[in-house]
Amino acid sequence: EAGVAQSPRYKIIEKRQSVAFWCNPISGHATLYWYQQILGQGPKLLIQFQNNGVVDDSQLPKDRFSAERLKGVDSTLKIQPAKLEDSAVYLCASSLVGRGPQETQYFGPGTRLLVL
Amino acid sequence: LAKTTQPISMDSYEGQEVNITCSHNNIATNDYITWYQQFPSQGPRFIIQGYKTKVTNEVASLFIPADRKSSTLSLPRVSLSDTAVYYCLVGPFSGGYNKLIFGAGTRLAVHP
Repeated sequence: EAGVAQSPRYKIIEKRQSVAFWCNPISGHATLYWYQQILGQGPKLLIQFQNNGVVDDSQLPKDRFSAERLKGVDSTLKIQPAKLEDSAVYLCASSLVGRGPQETQYFGPGTRLLVL
Repeated sequence: LAKTTQPISMDSYEGQEVNITCSHNNIATNDYITWYQQFPSQGPRFIIQGYKTKVTNEVASLFIPADRKSSTLSLPRVSLSDTAVYYCLVGPFSGGYNKLIFGAGTRLAVHP
C-alpha cells in the first residue's frame, strides 16, 4: 500500500515570496491533515479536512496560509507571502475516517521549507 | 485536552530496555494514550496505543496504571535504529474528530 506522498521535499525561497506544497493521501482516507513542525518542536496541526470540507483550521494563520482539498483527495497548502518564521517542515497526514481515538494517522515525509 | 509531560531526552545503550514515562494528570475518561516515533527527516509513525493496563505489539509495550495519570512506553533491547523522538499523546476529540496535540517529545539516543 502506497503511503502519503508529498512534494517537493525541499524548498528555499526568499521572504515575501509565495510557495505551495502538495499532498496525496493514502487511497480511501477521508481525513487529511497539514502540520507545521519547527525545528526542535513537535508537529502543530494547521488544518484538518474531512473529505473536501474543513473541520479544524483554528491554528492556520489565515492572513497568509491557505489550503484546499478539491474533490476530497489530494491537497495543496499555500503560503503567501512567506515570512522568516515560516521556515519549518510541513507534514501531511491522513487517516481513514477521522473519528475515534483508535484511529492511526499516517504521515508523509514532509516538505522542508527555508525562508531567507 | 489533556496535557502531557515527558523527559526531554534520554540516553541508552544497545541491548538495553528503555522505559519512557509520560505524565497526563488530567486525562479524561474517554481519552486514549498514543505513542508516535519520529526519525530525522521523516514524519511521525504510530507505535502503540492503549486505554488501560498493558498493551504489547511487535515493537513496544505500553503500561498504564489504574489511575491512568501516567503511562510508560517500554522498548525492549534497543538498537541504534531506535534513536528517534518519541511523542506521548492523550485525548482524541475535537468536535467529534481526531486531533493530535504533540508536545516536544523525548529524544532517545542509543549508543553502541
